Amino acid sequence: QKEVEQDPGPLSVPEGAIVSLNCTYSNSAFQYFMWYRQYSRKGPELLMYTYSSGNKEDGRFTAQVDKSSKYISLFIRDSQPSDSATYLCAMSAGSGGGADGLTFGKGTHLIIQP
Amino acid sequence: ETGVTQTPRHLVMGMTNKKSLKCEQHLGHNAMYWYKQSAKKPLELMFVYSLEERVENNSVPSRFSPECPNSSHLFLHLHTLQPEDSALYLCASSQAGNEQFFGPGTRLTVL
Repeated sequence: QKEVEQDPGPLSVPEGAIVSLNCTYSNSAFQYFMWYRQYSRKGPELLMYTYSSGNKEDGRFTAQVDKSSKYISLFIRDSQPSDSATYLCAMSAGSGGGADGLTFGKGTHLIIQP
Repeated sequence: ETGVTQTPRHLVMGMTNKKSLKCEQHLGHNAMYWYKQSAKKPLELMFVYSLEERVENNSVPSRFSPECPNSSHLFLHLHTLQPEDSALYLCASSQAGNEQFFGPGTRLTVL
């Protein structure tokens, strides 16, 4: 069983729709959860960073973590064509990340249709 | 310059060549990382340096050799690579807060 499962898509939605992206994981030690956005031929850009269970909102983006279900989500409201990218979930057991690195999902390719 | 920079952005090399990838972070961070991103696969952690000491070597073949001369610079020395090593090589840095910031990557093609 892979440590982090993420549907690669592509996921295609019309402009203005609410987008839901998800990851499941198997390692109960994970406590730090991140979402990155990666445009074609670019490096990943950090969007959201959360610790343990709960919700975090930043503008049009909301991250949710349910540790009991080992399930994390990213919601994008009022989606725009510029949101078209690959979205990567990442997680880590330890704080600091100094010795852990991050464990990533494969990424979901999102397409917002104008 | 700001953030994390990587050079070169693109590299084509033969299997017998020796080349190096360079990463520089301008964020004052104390940890740096190398990741490999291949098509259809998750990012794979290769090496971790914390306070300039290597703390993780994720079963990476010896044809990849990292070097961290100071907290701002990280190198990945490459020699006798294989075609399956073709990938996007990403550098990242963090300051003990788990928020890793990535550079743009080096697209490596091994012929």
